[in-house]
Amino acid sequence: GAGVSQTPSNKVTEKGKYVELRCDPISGHTALYWYRQSLGQGPEFLIYFQGTGAADDSGLPNDRFFAVRPEGSVSTLKIQRTERGDSAVYLCASSQTTGGANVLTFGAGSRLTVL
Amino acid sequence: SQQGEEDPQALSIQEGENATMNCSYKTSINNLQWYRQNSGRGLVHLILIRSNEREKHSGRLRVTLDTSKKSSSLLITASRAADTASYFCGGDDKIIFGKGTRLHILP
Repeated sequence: GAGVSQTPSNKVTEKGKYVELRCDPISGHTALYWYRQSLGQGPEFLIYFQGTGAADDSGLPNDRFFAVRPEGSVSTLKIQRTERGDSAVYLCASSQTTGGANVLTFGAGSRLTVL
Repeated sequence: SQQGEEDPQALSIQEGENATMNCSYKTSINNLQWYRQNSGRGLVHLILIRSNEREKHSGRLRVTLDTSKKSSSLLITASRAADTASYFCGGDDKIIFGKGTRLHILP
């Protein structure tokens, strides 16, 4: 597609539920990033993929968070047993390479609210 | 990985004036980038400067890089209302952003 697409744009769930957030990167972009952003804060790095593999997942806050990118294109961020503190905007970005000049194109984000 | 820290946290200026914000980072980089985020939206890439460059221009934007001080500055000249946004810096592969500089252009 022309840009990075994230779905859903808004998700409201109850504490303890399971949530999946989807990211469709720009076609041909090999690197894909997930960030989350709380109100008034900068984007917090979660994980990035180079192709199908997670190149760095050191930002995932705990084992309730997991992300996959099985075919090197679409990625899904999965959150188990959601907590109120997981409420944030989850941003996805893609880029053509992870080396050298690595310019990110961001999606509009998925706003997650955990009640 | 790079931790970009932006300064000041907030800046208000009159429309037409120039706005300057700064970025500091901790370890050596190959390049540094600036992004803008309008309220409620995703980040948009503004400009990239490589470690062997000292200054770069793009329209009303001017970026400088001082690798000896591990710092960069972003200058926006002749500010407009549409420049009201948060600005973030980061570099290299795993781009880690700070809290950003919230710029508010006053009419």
